[in-house]
Amino acid sequence: DADVTQTPRNRITKTGKRIMLECSQTKGHDRMYWYRQDPGLGLRLIYYSFDVKDINKGEISDGYSVSRQAQAKFSLSLESAIPNQTALYFCATSDWDTSYGYTFGSGTRLTVV
Amino acid sequence: AQTVTQSQPEMSVQEAETVTLSCTYDTSESDYYLFWYKQPPSRQMILVIRQEAYKQQNATENRFSVNFQKAAKSFSLKISDSQLGDAAMYFCAYRDNDMRFGAGTRLTVKP
Repeated sequence: DADVTQTPRNRITKTGKRIMLECSQTKGHDRMYWYRQDPGLGLRLIYYSFDVKDINKGEISDGYSVSRQAQAKFSLSLESAIPNQTALYFCATSDWDTSYGYTFGSGTRLTVV
Repeated sequence: AQTVTQSQPEMSVQEAETVTLSCTYDTSESDYYLFWYKQPPSRQMILVIRQEAYKQQNATENRFSVNFQKAAKSFSLKISDSQLGDAAMYFCAYRDNDMRFGAGTRLTVKP
């Protein structure tokens, strides 16, 4: 099994619908992140969490919310999806030691029509 | 806020040749880490190489090496003996508490 699992892998949804993207990890890492990837913009940070009781906004949090249900689970919600939220979404985890990189999930490609 | 700039949206290289991907960043910190990630068509993010800012020696991983110029805030990736499997998007990233990414460079390898 993958260290970081994202579900679903692909999703098409309609404008105005609520959708949740899920992420679970077996790395035992405390820190978890949600990024979105858009062509020409790279990966941008949406939300991050350093432990179960710690949630922080990233640079593009508007229109998104998150829930850290357990150390191993971190979900991203779009309360009312809009077409410009069409993107590739990545969940990532890391240890407290910032000298290491992240472990990424395989991404969720979300299309809002 | 820290920013990461990759000025080459696309690059191409002939198989077996060498290519260098550019990256610059902006920070006021003295202690940080830099990374290059590869994203093949499978879209998985794969760590290629990392560099600690306090180390002057450039990191090397097999055919991949970096040219780290701390004063210039430059962190380029050199790929030697390019292979078809090197074709991918490459992202430069800066990390202190969280990680910031550049816009990416799409590398094409010509047979």
